Amino acid sequence: GAVVSQHPSWVICKSGTSVKIECRSLDFQATTMFWYRQFPKQSLMLMATSNEGSKATYEQGVEKDKFLINHASLTLSTLTVTSAHPEDSSFYICSARDLQGKETQYFGPGTRLLVL
Amino acid sequence: AQKITQTQPGMFVQEKEAVTLDCTYDTSDQSYGLFWYKQPSSGEMIFLIYQGSYDEQNATEGRYSLNFQKARKSANLVISASQLGDSAMYFCAMRARMDSSYKLIFGSGTRLLVRP
Repeated sequence: GAVVSQHPSWVICKSGTSVKIECRSLDFQATTMFWYRQFPKQSLMLMATSNEGSKATYEQGVEKDKFLINHASLTLSTLTVTSAHPEDSSFYICSARDLQGKETQYFGPGTRLLVL
Repeated sequence: AQKITQTQPGMFVQEKEAVTLDCTYDTSDQSYGLFWYKQPSSGEMIFLIYQGSYDEQNATEGRYSLNFQKARKSANLVISASQLGDSAMYFCAMRARMDSSYKLIFGSGTRLLVRP
């Protein structure tokens, strides 16, 4: 149980294009999902908290218009990197919080984005 | 301030031996949760073990145990009988209440290398 999928796992795009990343909780409902960014050899940095049916809450320093988050259902959240630039290249990883038991966050496998 | 500290950037352990990964935390909350995640080179974050602040007994999950010392604010991970597949990054995290919501705060991680 508690499986989170993420798609795509890899994406290479040209500068200026937009990229959409999907995060799905497969066997549980998640009213809250989280989006993280991780640079090489560093820890995870929380970008935003995605709430089903309401606007996402962004961390300080994260551009809302740059990183669009939509949490359309209890099992799906999407992150769209708009007008991507090379500095947006990173590892993006989502998590979903299982409200049962320990409120553990279960993570997706991550998406590696390379912007050329 | 809410903070997680992992002071060991890298650790070596001989296969089949036990290893302890250190984690200290700082919080003013009375109720909090502590997690350990494993991140292999593939990038996925694998949930290992959880300890609640009110749990009286140390958490155990198979070969993983959490040495929880509340007064010292430490939550060290002990891996017994190390296996080659245990080589990975390990992150300690704390569920903390921030800005009216619960978030995970991560430490900087410890890279564990198991020697054959």
